[in-house]
Amino acid sequence: DQQVKQNSPSLSVQEGRISILNCDYTNSMFDYFLWYKKYPAEGPTFLISISSIKDKNEDGRFTVFLNKSAKHLSLHIVPSQPGDSAVYFCAASEMGQGGKLIFGQGTELSVKP
Amino acid sequence: DTAVSQTPKYLVTQMGNDKSIKCEQNLGHDTMYWYKQDSKKFLKIMFSYNNKELIINETVPNRFSPKSPDKAHLNLHINSLELGDSAVYFCASSLAGTSTDTQYFGPGTRLTVL
Repeated sequence: DQQVKQNSPSLSVQEGRISILNCDYTNSMFDYFLWYKKYPAEGPTFLISISSIKDKNEDGRFTVFLNKSAKHLSLHIVPSQPGDSAVYFCAASEMGQGGKLIFGQGTELSVKP
Repeated sequence: DTAVSQTPKYLVTQMGNDKSIKCEQNLGHDTMYWYKQDSKKFLKIMFSYNNKELIINETVPNRFSPKSPDKAHLNLHINSLELGDSAVYFCASSLAGTSTDTQYFGPGTRLTVL
């Protein structure tokens, strides 16, 4: 039973345009959500996070939106750059679970010049 | 300086062998984790240790045994390797193991069982 899902395995965007990556979850006990970015042959690196008490968090070109009623979050990258090409993982955690992260299966973003 | 390092990066071995993967972090964190990324690309947590104490122990075959000699190291020992153990294994660490702590990942160890 996959509690965090990223239904788009890949996304291709033109440089300078907006990239929107989506993530859905099923466990209403999740209270913290994160996005990780992963380049080939490297480990995931933290990108941005959002607490369930917020609906938006912004960090430079990256913004995460949370819609709790829909159990949906999205990552917006504006403007997209070729260096953003990577696999993006959505993850969720629940208080009191020892930091256990539940990951989605990732979306591979390709930003074309 | 690498924050979270793993050795080896690649490991190719025969079924039935026993192997270990080592992980070290120099971030001064109290909590370390092992994740497995299978062929379907899902990253799934296996174990976590906080200050040498086992905290998370997911449904993992008991052929997998984590060992934490100190809080900067968390090694993964796998007995009687099976074909299905082929995967990429990631070590990670975080400050205190809370749900809002950022986890820092190592580069991964690609294990291939023949």
